[in-house]
Amino acid sequence: GAVVSQHPSRVICKSGTSVKIECRSLDFQATTMFWYRQFPKQSLMLMATSNEGSKATYEQGVEKDKFLINHASLTLSTLTVTSAHPEDSSFYICSARDSQGSDTQYFGPGTRLTVL
Amino acid sequence: RKEVEQDPGPFNVPEGATVAFNCTYSNSASQSFFWYRQDCRKEPKLLMSVYSSGNEDGRFTAQLNRASQYISLLIRDSKLSDSATYLCVVNQAGTALIFGKGTTLSVSS
Repeated sequence: GAVVSQHPSRVICKSGTSVKIECRSLDFQATTMFWYRQFPKQSLMLMATSNEGSKATYEQGVEKDKFLINHASLTLSTLTVTSAHPEDSSFYICSARDSQGSDTQYFGPGTRLTVL
Repeated sequence: RKEVEQDPGPFNVPEGATVAFNCTYSNSASQSFFWYRQDCRKEPKLLMSVYSSGNEDGRFTAQLNRASQYISLLIRDSKLSDSATYLCVVNQAGTALIFGKGTTLSVSS
């Protein structure tokens, strides 16, 4: 089946640093990818929709200047958490929609971010 | 009102029990419905899609009532390996998935 990878799987960083998370669709093209965040015991919350070749669409309450999204190719979207703070510590998960398939979305394995 | 609401549980059941989870959604324009399973500290994995006519996959049965905007999941003959959080998910075509908070199931021997 379709596979989506995320890198890194886990990152621990100091407050104030920036962290880049990559999401790749390995065997299909994805014009649209989605970035979610999940805090402990909470549901996955959509942060933004990443569209290949255009600007991302952010959900209400998500700062676009803090969470930079770049979708430069049909198989790669990146999320950069700028000037990370402890409250940004969370589980970040991407999903990719198969552009030529059944509109099914496939999830990456997630990135656990801990900001000290 | 949250878009997708679920009873968080936890549901603690013995092996072999039958357990049912319910979910309601607020957006009547929702077109696709799913149940996902999420294990601790892992990404969610698709368990099954939910169709208006109801559908079954082995021990799992899903039902959808569009008029009531209600979705259910029935698990028969529970196994220890069924212990997980079950997420009710809806979406419209081409849009992001909207997740419920999840219902936690713990199956014990």
